[in-house]
Amino acid sequence: DQQVKQNSPSLSVQEGRISILNCDYTNSMFDYFLWYKKYPAEGPTFLISISSIKDKNEDGRFTVFLNKSAKHLSLHIVPSQPGDSAVYFCAASARSGGSNYKLTFGKGTLLTVNP
Amino acid sequence: DVKVTQSSRYLVKRTGEKVFLECVQDMDHENMFWYRQDPGLGLRLIYFSYDVKMKEKGDIPEGYSVSREKKERFSLILESASTNQTSMYLCASSLSPAYGYTFGSGTRLTVV
Repeated sequence: DQQVKQNSPSLSVQEGRISILNCDYTNSMFDYFLWYKKYPAEGPTFLISISSIKDKNEDGRFTVFLNKSAKHLSLHIVPSQPGDSAVYFCAASARSGGSNYKLTFGKGTLLTVNP
Repeated sequence: DVKVTQSSRYLVKRTGEKVFLECVQDMDHENMFWYRQDPGLGLRLIYFSYDVKMKEKGDIPEGYSVSREKKERFSLILESASTNQTSMYLCASSLSPAYGYTFGSGTRLTVV
């Protein structure tokens, strides 16, 4: 039972355009969401997070939007750069729900930014 | 910055061998995790530990065991390596999910 779903295995965009990566979740106890970026042969690195008390968090070119009623979040990258080409993982946790400090990850979306 | 160090970047082992993957973190985090990453399957949790000598099974613990004798070190053990354990193994540590995880660089294990 996949509690965090990234339905698009891959996404290709042109340099300078917007990249939108989507993530859906099913567990209503999730109250904290994160995005990680992973290059081949490296470990994932933290990108941006959002708490369920917010609907938007922005950090430079990266913005995460949360729609709690739809159980949906998205990561916007504007403008996209070739160096953004990587696998992006969505993750969620239930801080107040006794999750034993685990994050639940989606399967990832491979973003390719073409020059 | 928190540093999570995995002892090997690449390993090649034979079927049936006992394999040890070591992970050390330097920020006094209680929580440590072992994941494997496979194409199309994302990050799957093998085992985690929230304290010394404490361990809990993740989603795919079969064929693996772990050891946490000291707070900074979390070892993953493949008791008898099999070819279906060929994968990228990632160790992570965390103060709490509110702070996310810090991952190591990964160990690419090939079992032949």
